[in-house]
Amino acid sequence: SQTIHQWPATLVQPVGSPLSLECTVEGTSNPNLYWYRQAAGRGLQLLFYSVGIGQISSEVPQNLSASRPQDRQFILSSKKLLLSDSGFYLCASQGAVRGTEAFFGQGTRLTVV
Amino acid sequence: AQSVTQPDIHITVSEGASLELRCNYSYGATPYLFWYVQSPGQGLQLLLKYFSGDTLVQGIKGFEAEFKRSQSSFNLRKPSVHWSDAAEYFCAVGATGGGNKLTFGTGTQLKVEL
Repeated sequence: SQTIHQWPATLVQPVGSPLSLECTVEGTSNPNLYWYRQAAGRGLQLLFYSVGIGQISSEVPQNLSASRPQDRQFILSSKKLLLSDSGFYLCASQGAVRGTEAFFGQGTRLTVV
Repeated sequence: AQSVTQPDIHITVSEGASLELRCNYSYGATPYLFWYVQSPGQGLQLLLKYFSGDTLVQGIKGFEAEFKRSQSSFNLRKPSVHWSDAAEYFCAVGATGGGNKLTFGTGTQLKVEL
């Protein structure tokens, strides 16, 4: 099965600072990759997904961006963080075949102060 | 577009009691359905999934779920809850396109009383 490595586990950043969260995947090739944000009581909000290197789709307008420089690497970035960017960020990997399950990383707790 | 509703935000049960978590989905074709569990501060772990065939699906940790097409439901059950089952549970439906992404419900927080 797949293993999703996500770091850092926790991060405290000042407003206006940049952000880079990294996710790498083991145990599969050509996965679909996802960034979710989780807020209490609101479930998982899909932010970005990627079906291949350099291919990024954004689900919601926001202050964040994503990149996929390698097949099994997915990066979430921001040039200037906002207070509203605080949350729990999860990276996920899924096969391209419909109905395959998604595997999740352990998440990053981001607090913008 | 597909959607998932988990009507119960919080549920409290006593240890040893039975459990049922509700999930209703909206999808235009035969759905692919999943249940995930999340412990505090952790990622999500797959409990079980339904693709086709037998509508009663067995998962890990003694959980099962039943797909009922007529009710658009995929409820999660466990006959006897353990204190370690306290966590948040998410139901999800799989999409046909757009990266094959999953749409999640808002989750049900389970508390187990000893």
